Amino acid sequence: DQQVKQNSPSLSVQEGRISILNCDYTNSMFDYFLWYKKYPAEGPTFLISISSIKDKNEDGRFTVFLNKSAKHLSLHIVPSQPGDSAVYFCAASGPYNNNDMRFGAGTRLTVKP
Amino acid sequence: DTEVTQTPKHLVMGMTNKKSLKCEQHMGHRAMYWYKQKAKKPPELMFVYSYEKLSINESVPSRFSPECPNSSLLNLHLHALQPEDSALYLCASSRTGGSYNEQFFGPGTRLTVL
Repeated sequence: DQQVKQNSPSLSVQEGRISILNCDYTNSMFDYFLWYKKYPAEGPTFLISISSIKDKNEDGRFTVFLNKSAKHLSLHIVPSQPGDSAVYFCAASGPYNNNDMRFGAGTRLTVKP
Repeated sequence: DTEVTQTPKHLVMGMTNKKSLKCEQHMGHRAMYWYKQKAKKPPELMFVYSYEKLSINESVPSRFSPECPNSSLLNLHLHALQPEDSALYLCASSRTGGSYNEQFFGPGTRLTVL
C-alpha cells in the first residue's frame, strides 16, 4: 500500500526557471512531511520539512506548500540551478512519531543550462 | 560532526556467507534506522532502534539481524541471503523518534548477493 505518491517520475526545466515537484499522500494521520534530495551513489540528503500545523515553509530557494484538505504537498525551487539536478523524494511520518517514515517513489529533476 | 558513516561502501557475498554492515553517527542521536532501497524504488524501512532498543521490525526475514551495541553504532548482520536481497542498504539517524525530527542518511552500502 503506497501511502505517499509522486506521480511524475521525471521533470526537466531550464536554468533560472521554477521547478515544481508534487507529492500526494493517502494517510490523513501523517503530521510531518519532508523532502530529500539524492545524488547517485549517495544517501538521501534532507532538504526541507513542514509540519501539519503550517501550510508553507521557506528556506532560501526552496519552498514547501502543504494542502491538507487535498492531501497534497509541493516543492518549489526558484530559481532552478544545474546543481539541483537529482532525484527528489517526498516523505511523510506521524502521527506524533517520526520513526515510521514513508517515502514516495521519487522524481528525477534535470535542470538544463 | 553531522555525518552518518557506513562501511563497507560495496559488498559482494555468496548465499552461504556471513557478513556485517556497519553504521556510525556522532551527532548524539538516539534513534537509528536501517532501510533497503532497490533500483528506481523508494527506501523501505527495515528496522528502527530507539534508545538502543529495537522498536520497529517491518517483518524483515530472519536472515537480516540488526544489532545496536551503543548509541553511536548500528550493525546489520547478514546470513544466508538470497540474490533478491541485492540492494542499497541505507542507515539513518535522528535526534529521537518523536515528532518533527528529520532523519540523516549515510551514503549506503551497495550489496550484491551472488
